[in-house]
Amino acid sequence: GAGVSQSPRYKVAKRGQDVALRCDPISGHVSLFWYQQALGQGPEFLTYFQNEAQLDKSGLPSDRFFAERPEGSVSTLKIQRTQQEDSAVYLCASSPEATGFFNQPQHFGDGTRLSIL
Amino acid sequence: KQEVTQIPAALSVPEGENLVLNCSFTDSAIYNLQWFRQDPGKGLTSLLLIQSSQREQTSGRLNASLDKSSGRSTLYIAASQPGDSATYLCAVRPVSGGNKLVFGAGTILRVKS
Repeated sequence: GAGVSQSPRYKVAKRGQDVALRCDPISGHVSLFWYQQALGQGPEFLTYFQNEAQLDKSGLPSDRFFAERPEGSVSTLKIQRTQQEDSAVYLCASSPEATGFFNQPQHFGDGTRLSIL
Repeated sequence: KQEVTQIPAALSVPEGENLVLNCSFTDSAIYNLQWFRQDPGKGLTSLLLIQSSQREQTSGRLNASLDKSSGRSTLYIAASQPGDSATYLCAVRPVSGGNKLVFGAGTILRVKS
């Protein structure tokens, strides 16, 4: 596709369930980012991939959050044993930039709205 | 720790007005600053990217300026239209931890017809 694609668009889960969120970046984009956006706030960084390597996971709020990008394209963000405070919009972004070149814009998908009941 | 603040939090203007949105950041060591637009239920659309060595960028009715030393950026929208109604987000790419964007909370803009 032409842009970053995320699925599902909406996800409702019961507290304690595991969820998996998918991101298809723009074809050829080397860098991939995950952000969490709470209602009425700006997005907050979660983690960053350069191809298949997860180079920064400093923003992951707990060890219940896990992200992977095994073949350097599609990425999955997994949240285990979900809690109500995990309710947010999860945004994925991609960029063509390589390591050390932080001069390219990040292109965002429409996000997955996660609601934990 | 880099912090980004946007003022005002919300703004309502009549159609046709020129307006300015403000963004400030606490650490001037940045690679670039990016302005985004977010429509309800949607992701972020990049509007303008200003590199740290630049002073401004223009795209159509939008003009963004950057004063890195004072930690400020403004987004100027000329001749506003109802279709400009959205949330506008400012984000900086810090030198320390350049893998991420650090966002402000946004300005909710409503342009009345």
